Parts: sequence; structure tokens; C-alpha cells
Amino acid sequence: GAGVSQTPSNKVTEKGKYVELRCDPISGHTALYWYRQSLGQGPEFLIYFQGTGAADDSGLPNDRFFAVRPEGSVSTLKIQRTERGDSAMYLCASSPLGSTDTQYFGPGTRLTVL
Amino acid sequence: KQEVTQIPAALSVPEGENLVLNCSFTDSAIYNLQWFRQDPGKGLTSLLLIQSSQREQTSGRLNASLDKSSGRSTLYIAASQPGDSATYLCAVPSGYALNFGKGTSLLVTP
Repeated sequence: GAGVSQTPSNKVTEKGKYVELRCDPISGHTALYWYRQSLGQGPEFLIYFQGTGAADDSGLPNDRFFAVRPEGSVSTLKIQRTERGDSAMYLCASSPLGSTDTQYFGPGTRLTVL
Repeated sequence: KQEVTQIPAALSVPEGENLVLNCSFTDSAIYNLQWFRQDPGKGLTSLLLIQSSQREQTSGRLNASLDKSSGRSTLYIAASQPGDSATYLCAVPSGYALNFGKGTSLLVTP
């Protein structure tokens, strides 16, 4: 079956603009995660959804970052007033049930803020 | 806070060599550990998941071991090939999240 997909694959924006990054998890997976990866670093956790609700958003760096998953499937990560420091690879992952399962990662969205 | 360290940071070997990648973690109260592969500019591919009750997992030329008490895991790659060139990341759960090391960048030369 299809894996996790993310769109766009690349996004270039200007400082101060608003961006939305989309994640389509594997069908039937109830758990969805967003991570951010800077060059030369491992991914860092941002937020975890179980169904439609954000079960843990402790990794969001500040209130410019927000994520939704209104129907328990597709998720959108939203970044307001982008800053150059937001430039990174944004990775989405899903798993069948939750945190004890293997997480399956998408190809990522490379965000560049000029 | 769980800290994950991977050694070495980078490794270059000739094709055919067996090699070992190391991962250590500070909090031994984990219920599993995952090894991932990441190609440049790409997402992560899960290689092996070891449950806390297991000591080893094998998939093809890959073998991962887990020693919870010492906070260590190793990924053994047998008969390395140029196609194995990638960054290898280990990750342990911390709450709902996965905590990742910075990875080992592996280059296998023909």
C-alpha cells in the first residue's frame, strides 16, 4: 500500500510569510507525528496526534507553529511569520496505534526561508 | 531528558567490510529502540525495531543488538556494499516522541 506522503517536497518562502505543510499518513494509522530536522542533526519531535486530537504538542518551539488533523487522517503543519531559523526538513510519521509501534516516515518537506 | 549519542559521527570503509555502528542512551527505561536509514535529502526508512524484551533483531545483512542495562545498542552491517552509503540513526521513545541521535554518516567505497 501507499506510504506516508508529504507535500510540497520543497517550499521556498520569504521571511514573515505564512506556510502550510501537508502530511497524508498511511491509511488506518491513528497516530501521526511531526518532526523537524536541521542539517547534521537528528529529527526533533514537534507534535503527536492520536486521532483528531493533539495528544502532545510539547515540541512546538513557539506559538508561531500550529498543527491540525481535523478528520483524523491528513494533517497540516502551519507556520506563521516565518523566520530564517525555521529553515529545516519537516518530517511526518504515522503508526498504527501509538508510541509503542514502528513509526513510518514520509519523504519530508524541505522548507527554506529567505 | 533522554540523550542519544551515536559513534562514530562518520565512517568510510571499502566495499565488503563488516562494520559496527554504536548508539548509547542515558535512560535505560525504554520499551524499544529503532534503527533508521536516511539517504541525503530524503525521509527515514525503518530498518529494525528491537523490543525491550529482545536482545537482537536481524534483517538480511543487518543485525541490531540491545543492552538496556548498559544503555547501548549496536547495528552490525555485514559485507558492506556501496548502496549501504547513507546516514544511520537510532531512536528511543521518550513519552510519545522518538529521541534521535545525530546519526552516523556511512560511506562505502567500491
